Amino acid sequence: KQEVTQIPAALSVPEGENLVLNCSFTDSAIYNLQWFRQDPGKGLTSLLLIQSSQREQTSGRLNASLDKSSGRSTLYIAASQPGDSATYLCAVNTGNQFYFGTGTSLTVIP
Amino acid sequence: KAGVTQTPRYLIKTRGQQVTLSCSPISGHRSVSWYQQTPGQGLQFLFEYFSETQRNKGNFPGRFSGRQFSNSRSEMNVSTLELGDSALYLCASSTTVGNTIYFGEGSWLTVV
Repeated sequence: KQEVTQIPAALSVPEGENLVLNCSFTDSAIYNLQWFRQDPGKGLTSLLLIQSSQREQTSGRLNASLDKSSGRSTLYIAASQPGDSATYLCAVNTGNQFYFGTGTSLTVIP
Repeated sequence: KAGVTQTPRYLIKTRGQQVTLSCSPISGHRSVSWYQQTPGQGLQFLFEYFSETQRNKGNFPGRFSGRQFSNSRSEMNVSTLELGDSALYLCASSTTVGNTIYFGEGSWLTVV
């Protein structure tokens, strides 16, 4: 069974800092990996989708990388802003279902 | 383009009752999946439907069931509610497996 781990569980940074969120998974036989953000009491907002054949994807200040062989993905956030404060989740798609990590709670301090 | 719509947003039920939650996917999306989110277990996959057929099912008891209609709208039902069923139930849609999934705002279920 696929297991997805996100470290750290919580992160607090001052505004303007660049930061990296980590996601690791146990089975490298994945279809794709997707990063989401979740604001308190809300649903999930899709940020980036990386197909298994890709190494990275970029959207604005966000860059996600994927190293399938080592079972790792990172989400890089450049020049963080208070509006980036949320929980970030990664999800691994095995082709049958998504397996979610428990998330990293990010606080960006003004 | 309208997003994924879930109803109701909030509901309170008593132990032993049943509940039905509804999900309208993004127009053109034929895959609908359901997830349960709790503080202790995180996000767990319930089931996925595509063109009215359940294709995949998570590790939940038979009290949890679902269906999908010809217009891709989906419902999930939980019978004989237990206190532990209190959770945020999220629906997500996509054009097909492997593509980006989009979530609704969720239905908050409290069982008392």
